[in-house]
Amino acid sequence: AQSVTQLDSHVSVSEGTPVLLRCNYSSSYSPSLFWYVQHPNKGLQLLLKYTSAATLVKGINGFEAEFKKSETSFHLTKPSAHMSDAAEYFCVVSALQGGKLIFGQGTELSVKP
Amino acid sequence: KAGVTQTPRYLIKTRGQQVTLSCSPISGHRSVSWYQQTPGQGLQFLFEYFSETQRNKGNFPGRFSGRQFSNSRSEMNVSTLELGDSALYLCASSRQTGGQTDTQYFGPGTRLTVL
Repeated sequence: AQSVTQLDSHVSVSEGTPVLLRCNYSSSYSPSLFWYVQHPNKGLQLLLKYTSAATLVKGINGFEAEFKKSETSFHLTKPSAHMSDAAEYFCVVSALQGGKLIFGQGTELSVKP
Repeated sequence: KAGVTQTPRYLIKTRGQQVTLSCSPISGHRSVSWYQQTPGQGLQFLFEYFSETQRNKGNFPGRFSGRQFSNSRSEMNVSTLELGDSALYLCASSRQTGGQTDTQYFGPGTRLTVL
């Protein structure tokens, strides 16, 4: 079975400082992993996607994530936080059968001025 | 290219009623998946339709059902509404070339409130 665990339910950073959102996954096969972002009262927007090509994946808005098989991790980072980054972030693994995504519980990111 | 659209955006119903939500996928996408989002349970997979057939189903009671039309538009129905059905219902579409690597693109959701 596949699952993801987001290690922090809430992360608070100051504007201009780095962002680290942590995610561990469990999968019996080589997984496809995603990070999505959800702004208040909005749907989910894809930030980036890993599908067994390069282990360092670059996404939109300066975000990137590194797939580490030995640590079963897929942490999301950004060098410098912006106020507009405040949102909820979801680490997601795709089930082996297509069409089903399995979500972590989410990490709420707050950005202080 | 237009994104995934969902209608209505907001709904208020009372217990015991039934409700139908609609989702129009991105043009050319043949798969539609539905998810329920609640503060307590997070985001949970309801079901997925591809070429008018339900291919996957999550762990929800039979009161939750769906269908897909020949133009890939999808509807989900919840019968005999309960207070716990209050949630944001999200639909997502993908090309579904057949593997787990397909990206799902989400609509804005329908906020259902059951009183």
